[in-house]
This record gives sequence, structure tokens and C-alpha cells, in this order.
Amino acid sequence: NAGVTQTPKFRILKIGQSMTLQCTQDMNHNYMYWYRQDPGMGLKLIYYSVGAGITDKGEVPNGYNVSRSTTEDFPLRLELAAPSQTSVYFCASDESSGAGTEAFFGQGTRLTVV
Amino acid sequence: GQQVMQIPQYQHVQEGEDFTTYCNSSTTLSNIQWYKQRPGGHPVFLIQLVKSGEVKKQKRLTFQFGEAKKNSSLHITATQTTDVGTYFCAPGGNQFYFGTGTSLTVIP
Repeated sequence: NAGVTQTPKFRILKIGQSMTLQCTQDMNHNYMYWYRQDPGMGLKLIYYSVGAGITDKGEVPNGYNVSRSTTEDFPLRLELAAPSQTSVYFCASDESSGAGTEAFFGQGTRLTVV
Repeated sequence: GQQVMQIPQYQHVQEGEDFTTYCNSSTTLSNIQWYKQRPGGHPVFLIQLVKSGEVKKQKRLTFQFGEAKKNSSLHITATQTTDVGTYFCAPGGNQFYFGTGTSLTVIP
């Protein structure tokens, strides 16, 4: 059981470049989330999705976009990368956030923008 | 979103000492979860509390949910070096926010 898989694990981007962080889960979870975690800091919610075709903004959505065309995949798009987007990005999923089910996290993507 | 604060932000303890982190919400929570993140790792689910006044134990870890369901705590008895990491609380809800976290350092 793979759980939540994120790719790539590491990436260096130049200012102004764009990229997509991939996230796939094989648990048939409805809820999926993207977080960023700056060094020594907590987790900030970027975007979330309550099911295929439905996405919404979290605390820090500026500079990012998401889509949810399938239950399994929830890619995060960075357009015009900026140094402020240097961070570790985590994708997570759970069966039903409102009911308080356990969330599973991917291993993270460490992104550096130079 | 919900405002959930954790205290302390950092805690250094000698191995064998106890440790407690507190999670305080400005609103009543339907439930609360606790996660642990080892250095360089990803958050891992520890437990979920649902009922008012609920207390759950996992070996040396004791989790409590306040009577008013606005606060929660995690207590570790006799810390070990394997307890090192950051502990986050997370109130249940669609947007699944995390608390600010408490970073625990255990000095051998």
C-alpha cells in the first residue's frame, strides 16, 4: 500500500520558472491537502479539495494553483516561482476531514527557488 | 480559519523528564488530532480525541481533551531520545489546519 506519493522529492527552480508538484494517493480518500512548511515553522494550508472537481483556498494560496480531476491526483502548480516559495511542500489525504479521520502525508518535496 | 495556538513553541528537557504541550482554540472543536513530525520527516498521526474530557493513553503518552472542547494537551512521561520532534495538534474540519507546533529536544 503506497499511501500518499509525492514527486519530485527535491527540486531547484530559478526565479520565474514554473513547475508542478505531483501528489497521488491510492486510498480512495475524498479529502486532499497541500501544505508548505518553512524551516523551523508549522504547516500552512495552501489549498484543499473535498473531492474530485472541487478545490478551495487555504491560508496561503497566492502564487499557487491546484486541480482535482480524479480522486487519486491533486497536483500543485507554481507559476513564476519566487524565493519566498522556497519551502518543503507536503501533500496529505484523509477519508473525511469533517469526521476527524486520520490524515496520511507524503514524504514531502523540498523546493529551493534561486 | 480556526485559530489554534500551541505552547510552548520550544521545549528542551533532560532525558527522563516529563514534557507537556498545550493546544488552545478560540472556538469549540468537534474533535482534535495530534501528530508527530520527526526532524526531516513528515507528520504522522498519533491519536484523535472526540469526547469532552476524554483521556487516552499510548504507553508514555497521555492525551486529554478539555471539558469545553476548546483545549487539549499531550503529556509525555519520562522522555526518551526517540521522542524528539515537533508535536502538532489539528482540529477537525474541512480545512484541516494545524496548530503552531511544539518542538521537543531531549538531551541525553
